[in-house]
Amino acid sequence: GIQVEQSPPDLILQEGANSTLRCNFSDSVNNLQWFHQNPWGQLINLFYIPSGTKQNGRLSATTVATERYSLLYISSSQTTDSGVYFCAVGDTGGFKTIFGAGTRLFVKA
Amino acid sequence: DGGITQSPKYLFRKEGQNVTLSCEQNLNHDAMYWYRQDPGQGLRLIYYSQIVNDFQKGDIAEGYSVSREKKESFPLTVTSAQKNPTAFYLCASSNRDVETQYFGPGTRLLVL
Repeated sequence: GIQVEQSPPDLILQEGANSTLRCNFSDSVNNLQWFHQNPWGQLINLFYIPSGTKQNGRLSATTVATERYSLLYISSSQTTDSGVYFCAVGDTGGFKTIFGAGTRLFVKA
Repeated sequence: DGGITQSPKYLFRKEGQNVTLSCEQNLNHDAMYWYRQDPGQGLRLIYYSQIVNDFQKGDIAEGYSVSREKKESFPLTVTSAQKNPTAFYLCASSNRDVETQYFGPGTRLLVL
């Protein structure tokens, strides 16, 4: 099956700093999503981005499908950005979703 | 408000007992999913359903069962055959194009 690897596994930032999270996947995928899981466990969808670039406020994401990776950029980080960021890809049918292990982000005030 | 609800928030299971986790959505989504998350880990797919009266096994279906009798409901039963059920269980739904999955708040299952 498709393998999803995220890096770095852990990240500590000072408030105001920028960061880049990476997601590598081992095969062609039909869809790719980025999620943020808050400390209470709720997952929020950040981007649906099977290819190209999208921006939403301080967050942006880029997926290069031909090279099988996606990047999530966080600019001017805030303490509320803390949590776990997951990359998830869908197989050729799209419904079977595979999650990476996540990047755990802590933003210090 | 449209969204996904899961109940209960916490659930305790005794040895040999089957328990059922509820998941309801009012987003009019065709597809629904169940995931398991262990501490410090990513999510693993248990079962998914593309339409009513149809569902497929995910990567870790052993010891679990589901039904999809109504579009808005996708209950998960954790059977006594699941020997290590302690985990955080998350339900999600999406439209048929699977562009975006929306998650419920989760149920934490603990074994007594």
